[in-house]
Amino acid sequence: QSALTQPASVSGSPGQSITISCTGTSSDVGSYNLVSWYQQHPGKAPKLMIYEVSKRPSGVSNRFSGSKSGNTASLTISGLQAEDEADYYCCSYAGSSTFEVFGGGTKLTVL
Amino acid sequence: QVQLQESGPGLVKPSQTLSLTCTVSGGSISSGSYYWSWIRQPAGKGLEWIGRIYTSGSTNYNPSLKSRVTISVDTSKNQFSLTLSSVTAADTAVYYCARGSTVEVTGNRLQVAFDIWGQGTMVTVSS
Repeated sequence: QSALTQPASVSGSPGQSITISCTGTSSDVGSYNLVSWYQQHPGKAPKLMIYEVSKRPSGVSNRFSGSKSGNTASLTISGLQAEDEADYYCCSYAGSSTFEVFGGGTKLTVL
Repeated sequence: QVQLQESGPGLVKPSQTLSLTCTVSGGSISSGSYYWSWIRQPAGKGLEWIGRIYTSGSTNYNPSLKSRVTISVDTSKNQFSLTLSSVTAADTAVYYCARGSTVEVTGNRLQVAFDIWGQGTMVTVSS
């Protein structure tokens, strides 16, 4: 069982927006603005999409945005495109005993 | 730009020790303030952080694996390595190495994100 809880799957049509949630606790997501999100296509390594809750690395589309409220972080993808179909993982710092924890991953299907 | 490449045996026998190396190219493993991590992913499952080493040589491990994991660095070769002892079939996975960017918060060095990943290497535990 993963430390952070994500929905197993979400789907949307091209052009629509979807949101993936990542629920932790007051010991991880709720205490630190150190939530990151990763996109993983089949057979490929994960790619950093969002860091520090809402910041985008250079080269990542502004269709990807992040936010946090309490113990839940969220990734929103607007203007869905076929290429967005992938698995998405959240990750959070979880303190000086546990360090880094991942969510179980969410499979995004573009209909 | 910095690139990471994992290497090591693809098959390990049960109860033996898994050893992998990550070679860093395009930059020095000693420069900057980065964590160098190992992460694994069983087939069809999610990501699991294994542990990391800082440029100073200090290490942190996943509590669930701590008793079996050692991560070390060889700055002369620009590499860091993972050893996982007493392996079982449950350790079968794709193993990734990754660089972690950091930020200093009230005197503590915290990781911001895994910003660069290797391509991953499949390790199977089987007799």
